[in-house]
Amino acid sequence: AQKVTQAQTEISVVEKEDVTLDCVYETRDTTYYLFWYKQPPSGELVFLIRRNSFDEQNEISGRYSWNFQKSTSSFNFTITASQVVDSAVYFCALSEAASGSRLTFGEGTQLTVNP
Amino acid sequence: DAGVTQSPTHLIKTRGQQVTLRCSPKSGHDTVSWYQQALGQGPQFIFQYYEEEERQRGNFPDRFSGHQFPNYSSELNVNALLLGDSALYLCASSERRGYGYTFGSGTRLTVV
Repeated sequence: AQKVTQAQTEISVVEKEDVTLDCVYETRDTTYYLFWYKQPPSGELVFLIRRNSFDEQNEISGRYSWNFQKSTSSFNFTITASQVVDSAVYFCALSEAASGSRLTFGEGTQLTVNP
Repeated sequence: DAGVTQSPTHLIKTRGQQVTLRCSPKSGHDTVSWYQQALGQGPQFIFQYYEEEERQRGNFPDRFSGHQFPNYSSELNVNALLLGDSALYLCASSERRGYGYTFGSGTRLTVV
């Protein structure tokens, strides 16, 4: 069975600080996809990144970066120089190829960036 | 290019009633999935439709049913509503067997 754990329920930082959101996953499948979504108060899930299990290269997109480590089953997300607009709930999700395209989400991390 | 559209945005129902939620997928997408997100929790997969059939189902009772129309739009029906059904219901569309999901803003259902 697939499972995603986001141990950090809430994180509060001051603007311009760097912050890392942790994600640990469990799967028996060798082919899977990992995702990060941002959910602002409006409710819509905004796609941030998708990574497949065969690509362990870290990725950077502007102030966002992702560290995928299969050895520790982790897919952590770092925001550099955080801004107030980054305040939202962030979800990590997993999709196994064997289970079709259904997503299993973690419980989410509420990030608050204070001015 | 319109994204995923859900209606209504908010809904209040009485325990025991039935409700229908609607979703129009993003242009070019033929697969629709539904998720339930209780307050303070991550979304939980309900089911997925493509080619007008239910293809996958999560751990939800038969009170939850759905439908997909020839234009790929979809409905989620919940019968005999319980207080615990109060949640944000999210619709996601994708290309068949694809992994590029687009989510709508959801329907917030309150059961009183």
